[in-house]
Amino acid sequence: GAGVSQSPRYKVAKRGQDVALRCDPISGHVSLFWYQQALGQGPEFLTYFQNEAQLDKSGLPSDRFFAERPEGSVSTLKIQRTQQEDSAVYLCASSGGLVVNEQFFGPGTRLTVL
Amino acid sequence: TQLLEQSPQFLSIQEGENLTVYCNSSSVFSSLQWYRQEPGEGPVLLVTVVTGGEVKKLKRLTFQFGDARKDSSLHITAAQPGDTGLYLCAGGDTNAGKSTFGDGTTLTVKP
Repeated sequence: GAGVSQSPRYKVAKRGQDVALRCDPISGHVSLFWYQQALGQGPEFLTYFQNEAQLDKSGLPSDRFFAERPEGSVSTLKIQRTQQEDSAVYLCASSGGLVVNEQFFGPGTRLTVL
Repeated sequence: TQLLEQSPQFLSIQEGENLTVYCNSSSVFSSLQWYRQEPGEGPVLLVTVVTGGEVKKLKRLTFQFGDARKDSSLHITAAQPGDTGLYLCAGGDTNAGKSTFGDGTTLTVKP
């Protein structure tokens, strides 16, 4: 497909488990973003890549959160030792235009930590 | 920290009515985007405004960027049930890359 895809769409984890969320950006898009969206709120920035370089990770809430984009295309957001407060929708977006803030979002992964 | 405040938080109207929602900040943004998000989906980009005072029209939607590039409004004419959704504004800083989102306005248009 031509859009941003994310997998899995839904993930249920027991507290303490590790999870990995995948994002396939639009082909050729240089910039990739991860956001966390809690129920009833707007997306909150987590981290930003330009190609394989992670330029900003200021939004990652703790050192349990780790993101990578080793070949400048697919990205993985990993959460170690999940906690209940990690339950949220995790959105991935990519951008390739002149206006870097013009982002195209995937459908998100809904993470529920029990 | 840049914050974007959107108002109203919730809006419920009848089909055919007009409405305006607002996005305000104390910070200046290099660009501002409006997105619409439906349940279970990611936000979909509607428009980008860049120049202070800019007005853009997209069918029945009119977007305005404030002269000082700190605020924006979205006006919908003759709303339809298909306009139902969460409307998000996002302020961008081209030097930083990331966008700051408001918490959105949830619009319900009743047939």
